[in-house]
Amino acid sequence: DAGVTQTPRHEVAEKGQTIILKCEPVSGHNDLFWYRQTKIQGLELLSYFRSKSLMEDGGAFKDRFKAEMLNSSFSTLKIQPTEPKDSAVYLCASSLGDRENTLYFGAGTRLSVL
Amino acid sequence: QQQVRQSPQSLTVWEGETTILNCSYEDSTFDYFPWYRQFPGKSPALLIAISLVSNKKEDGRFTIFFNKREKKLSLHITDSQPGDSATYFCAASGTGGYKVVFGSGTRLLVSP
Repeated sequence: DAGVTQTPRHEVAEKGQTIILKCEPVSGHNDLFWYRQTKIQGLELLSYFRSKSLMEDGGAFKDRFKAEMLNSSFSTLKIQPTEPKDSAVYLCASSLGDRENTLYFGAGTRLSVL
Repeated sequence: QQQVRQSPQSLTVWEGETTILNCSYEDSTFDYFPWYRQFPGKSPALLIAISLVSNKKEDGRFTIFFNKREKKLSLHITDSQPGDSATYFCAASGTGGYKVVFGSGTRLLVSP
């Protein structure tokens, strides 16, 4: 069974650009999470979907970050416009959405904004 | 507001020692507490977890102790090995939609 697939693995953007990160969750999983990981802030939740419905939109990330789940097997995270402070690793995770809700993480996308 | 707190931020122990990592939380709706381990250059993966109904959960060299009254947990790693060197995240989820909240992590280095 395939795990969580994230593309691209690396992304370099100029300040002000729009970038789109992609995620394919584990087949059959109901929950999908987008996290941003930096050394200073750790793992910050950006968005959380349950059965394609947006449950959490990350509060402080709302203005330039938009996650969508077009179908149960594909999600995107759009950052528009990008800023240098957005440089981080973006992790997508999926889970069954059961009580234990074990997260399975993708390999991540490392974003560098110049 | 950080809902899950971890300490210390980083820790170095000698091979063979027992490592103790600490975690605390505030939200009373949390009732499930997984610990994830992240090796350098890799993504986090579930290591061990405990629910509110238990005081202790053991898996090999890894044990979670849970003090519900004080809302504190600790992860003990006995006979620590260099291969245990990683960042350990305490997380929490609860009845409010099963959102998983992570602490800031503890970076562990086990020296041979």
